[in-house]
Amino acid sequence: DVKVTQSSRYLVKRTGEKVFLECVQDMDHENMFWYRQDPGLGLRLIYFSYDVKMKEKGDIPEGYSVSREKKERFSLILESASTNQTSMYLCASSPPGEGGKLFFGSGTQLSVL
Amino acid sequence: GENVEQHPSTLSVQEGDSAVIKCTYSDSASNYFPWYKQELGKRPQLIIDIRSNVGEKKDQRIAVTLNKTAKHFSLHITETQPEDSAVYFCAATSGTYKYIFGTGTRLKVLA
Repeated sequence: DVKVTQSSRYLVKRTGEKVFLECVQDMDHENMFWYRQDPGLGLRLIYFSYDVKMKEKGDIPEGYSVSREKKERFSLILESASTNQTSMYLCASSPPGEGGKLFFGSGTQLSVL
Repeated sequence: GENVEQHPSTLSVQEGDSAVIKCTYSDSASNYFPWYKQELGKRPQLIIDIRSNVGEKKDQRIAVTLNKTAKHFSLHITETQPEDSAVYFCAATSGTYKYIFGTGTRLKVLA
């Protein structure tokens, strides 16, 4: 069974801090994604990566960056956290190709104070 | 840009009744339409999907229908049970890596 693991379930940070959210998948998937989930807004794509060191902006990349140095790991970085980045962050992976099934992690609830 | 509209935002049904959630997409190139179920405090999980060359797909009590002409697709849950209570998300993708998600429907099944 596919496992997508996010390093933290809950995280509390202060405004201006640099924040790292880590995601690891164990199924050798090429594609990895970071989504943000807010009530009434659904899931919005921040960044995705279709290969090591490859990344593409999603719909809301402002204020975020990503890193994919190894196939199994995809990191989301908030360079200088702001209160409007308080949200649930979901990582996902999918097998090679396009239009495939997404496997989600359990999410990280980030609060920026 | 592309978007997916999902209705209703909340839905309450009596146990045993049917539930229908509808989504409309804007990108006519969309060809894959998954539905995800997210129980409280848990990760979204795929429950059913349909590709554009198929009009309907069933899996036990759940079914999805697709009308490409009207650009809408629907999730049907029959004989609802309390464990069906969750938030349901529809999504559409045109074969790129970008899935466009609906805003979610909170389904409550009343015992």
